[in-house]
Amino acid sequence: DQQVKQNSPSLSVQEGRISILNCDYTNSMFDYFLWYKKYPAEGPTFLISISSIKDKNEDGRFTVFLNKSAKHLSLHIVPSQPGDSAVYFCAASAGSGGSNYKLTFGKGTLLTVNP
Amino acid sequence: DGGITQSPKYLFRKEGQNVTLSCEQNLNHDAMYWYRQDPGQGLRLIYYSQIVNDFQKGDIAEGYSVSREKKESFPLTVTSAQKNPTAFYLCASSIDHRAPLYGYTFGSGTRLTVV
Repeated sequence: DQQVKQNSPSLSVQEGRISILNCDYTNSMFDYFLWYKKYPAEGPTFLISISSIKDKNEDGRFTVFLNKSAKHLSLHIVPSQPGDSAVYFCAASAGSGGSNYKLTFGKGTLLTVNP
Repeated sequence: DGGITQSPKYLFRKEGQNVTLSCEQNLNHDAMYWYRQDPGQGLRLIYYSQIVNDFQKGDIAEGYSVSREKKESFPLTVTSAQKNPTAFYLCASSIDHRAPLYGYTFGSGTRLTVV
């Protein structure tokens, strides 16, 4: 049973436009959400996170939105740059419960930003 | 600079042989994790360890074993019992079990190929 779903395997956008990556989750116990970026043959790098007590978190060009009622979060990248081309993983954890701290990852979305 | 070192980057193994993947961190992190990445499968948790001399099975532990004798080291052994070992293996660490607050730091991965 996949608890974190990224239903779009790939996304292609033009440089300078907005990229929107989506993520849905099924486990209502999840209360922390993170986005990771991964280049081929490298380990993922942490990008941005959000706690369930918030509905938005912003860091430079990256903004994550959380809709708890819909169990949906999205990552917005504005403006998109060719260097943003990578696989983006959504991850979730029921961290505040103390015992279930490990992250559950989605399958990833390959973002391609065209010059 | 602190970080996680995985070695080797590429590893070839004959069927029926055990092989050990190395993971060393100098971040003074308590928690360490092993993930496996397959095409279209995202990251799946193999084993994790909150503290020295303690570890737990993840979602796909069959055919794998680990040890955590030192805080800095969390080697993963892929045994001959693992039916489909060819994959990209990622090691990660976090400050402590409160992973959702701080996220994980990942190594650069080991590509294991069974020949």
